[in-house]
Amino acid sequence: TQLLEQSPQFLSIQEGENLTVYCNSSSVFSSLQWYRQEPGEGPVLLVTVVTGGEVKKLKRLTFQFGDARKDSSLHITAAQPGDTGLYLCAGAGSNDYKLSFGAGTTVTVRA
Amino acid sequence: ETGVTQTPRHLVMGMTNKKSLKCEQHLGHNAMYWYKQSAKKPLELMFVYNFKEQTENNSVPSRFSPECPNSSHLFLHLHTLQPEDSALYLCASSQLSVASANTGELFFGEGSRLTVL
Repeated sequence: TQLLEQSPQFLSIQEGENLTVYCNSSSVFSSLQWYRQEPGEGPVLLVTVVTGGEVKKLKRLTFQFGDARKDSSLHITAAQPGDTGLYLCAGAGSNDYKLSFGAGTTVTVRA
Repeated sequence: ETGVTQTPRHLVMGMTNKKSLKCEQHLGHNAMYWYKQSAKKPLELMFVYNFKEQTENNSVPSRFSPECPNSSHLFLHLHTLQPEDSALYLCASSQLSVASANTGELFFGEGSRLTVL
């Protein structure tokens, strides 16, 4: 099992502020996914990054894959209450259909 | 129908009971998964079925017994559970690529919240 550490564990911010969530590992991943899980729901995929150094933008969310493909970050600009949820990163090894998940970062955006 | 449906959403059972969790996917995917989600812990992969064949049993205690009668349905049979088995059990499906063997996107159900008394 490849360990993924997410930080911080909890994050509470005011609407309109920016935030960054980190996902780190000592292992190299062929791809890395970010999911958001809202209370009472299952996780929903936000993005998949596959190339070292890759940056993907999804409206106010910016995802970056580290050059060495061992870490990733999620940055949210001008956070809104609808961004509240548990953010999970998950990495896949080469030729491996098993994803390793981090423990998640719980983000709360106050109105 | 939503993509992945799980029933029941909530289950309370005693340690001597036998119950089952059900999952159904309407996405035409070829792989289905059971994950266990406990507070402050990473999602734990329990079982994987690829084309109805079990390809992964991640050291799960025998008190959890999976069943996959076809590519759209997945069950998790529970018996003589322990209080520490209380958790959210998530079912997921994906379309595995034969060429790359990568998982691709996992589509999760809403989960079954299990409480063992």
